[in-house]
Order: sequence, then C-alpha cells, then structure tokens
Amino acid sequence: GAVVSQHPSRVICKSGTSVKIECRSLDFQATTMFWYRQFPKQSLMLMATSNEGSKATYEQGVEKDKFLINHASLTLSTLTVTSAHPEDSSFYICSARDLAGSSGYNEQFFGPGTRLTVL
Amino acid sequence: GQNIDQPTEMTATEGAIVQINCTYQTSGFNGLFWYQQHAGEAPTFLSYNVLDGLEEKGRFSSFLSRSKGYSYLLLKELQMKDSASYLCAVLDSNYQLIWGAGTKLIIKP
Repeated sequence: GAVVSQHPSRVICKSGTSVKIECRSLDFQATTMFWYRQFPKQSLMLMATSNEGSKATYEQGVEKDKFLINHASLTLSTLTVTSAHPEDSSFYICSARDLAGSSGYNEQFFGPGTRLTVL
Repeated sequence: GQNIDQPTEMTATEGAIVQINCTYQTSGFNGLFWYQQHAGEAPTFLSYNVLDGLEEKGRFSSFLSRSKGYSYLLLKELQMKDSASYLCAVLDSNYQLIWGAGTKLIIKP
C-alpha cells in the first residue's frame, strides 16, 4: 500500500515556541492531505484539509493563524503550531488521499503521527 | 447533523469471535471504512464497504446495510494483538471522512 511518513515522531518544546511537522507521501502523489488531532482516549478530530497549491480549509473552531498549513507540492504538507501552549499537547496525524491509486476508493493513508508535548 | 455511533468499549476472550457495530447518519454516502488503531499509533486500514453485503478478509469481515445505515466488523479467532481501538468512518457526499469515536476492544486470555 501507499506510504505516508511524518516527521518528527515526537517533539517536546517550551511554551511560546513554534513547531513544524512534515507529512510526506512517499510513493504516490497526494493532491489532498488531511491533518488530524487526537487527544488521549478520544477519536480523531479533523483540523484541516490541505489541497496542493491552494489554501487549507479549516474545520470550525480551529484557528488558522495558530495552525499554519502549507501544501507546497504533491508529496509534502507541513503543519506549523505557532506559539505553542500546553493545551496544544496532542497526537497530530496526517493522512493523504491517493486519487490515482489502485484501491480506487478514496482511501486515506495515515502517517505514523507526531506526539507533541508543550512544557 | 452527521453522526456515527459505535460502542465505547467491548471485552472478548482470546480465540473467540466479536462483532463491533456501527450506525451512521451522514449527508450522503460514498463508502464506510474500518480502521484499527493501537494506543499511541496512527490508524491502519482494515476494510472498505460501499455496496451492501459482507466483505471477508482473513480473520476480519465487514458488513454493510446502506438502507439501515449500519455496519459491523467481525473479528474471528481473536488474538491478544487484536486489543486495540476500532474506528468506523463514513465518506460523505463531499468525500470527507466522518469518524466515529472508536470502540476499545479488550482481549482477555
């Protein structure tokens, strides 16, 4: 199946700093990438949908100025958490959709996730 | 609104069979996914149903009834490694995935 990588896998930062998370589709082109956040014992929460070459679409309640998304190429999307605070500590997961894939059913392939801890 | 319901937690015995149900109400339907998620890891794809009926894949099977807005995931010959959360997700008319809260499956020896 298609592979999505995410970097870093784990990051610890001080309150007020910014953190960038990269999501890459390794063996396919992803016109659409998704960013999720998951708090402990809760389900995935979609934060934003990122389309290559255009502005991301943010879900209600997600601050676009705090969570900056850049989808500059068909294989890379980045999420930058600006001025991070302890309440931003969470598990951030990206996924990519391979529209041209052999599965043919809009499957989303997930990256391994990034564990962010803000002190 | 859009809604997906699945039990919060289930317990089963190693070697047994367990069925995890999922009911949904969404704006449009373009398929239903089941994902497995181990603690601290990203979800991994298990199955996809877009037509009514049963899809079998090894120890795992998934069933869909579109008229009833209902699906289930059937796990046979349970193994300890099957302890995980199982997420039901529906692709709506905008091809957006709507996620259930997940069912935590606990396998006991």
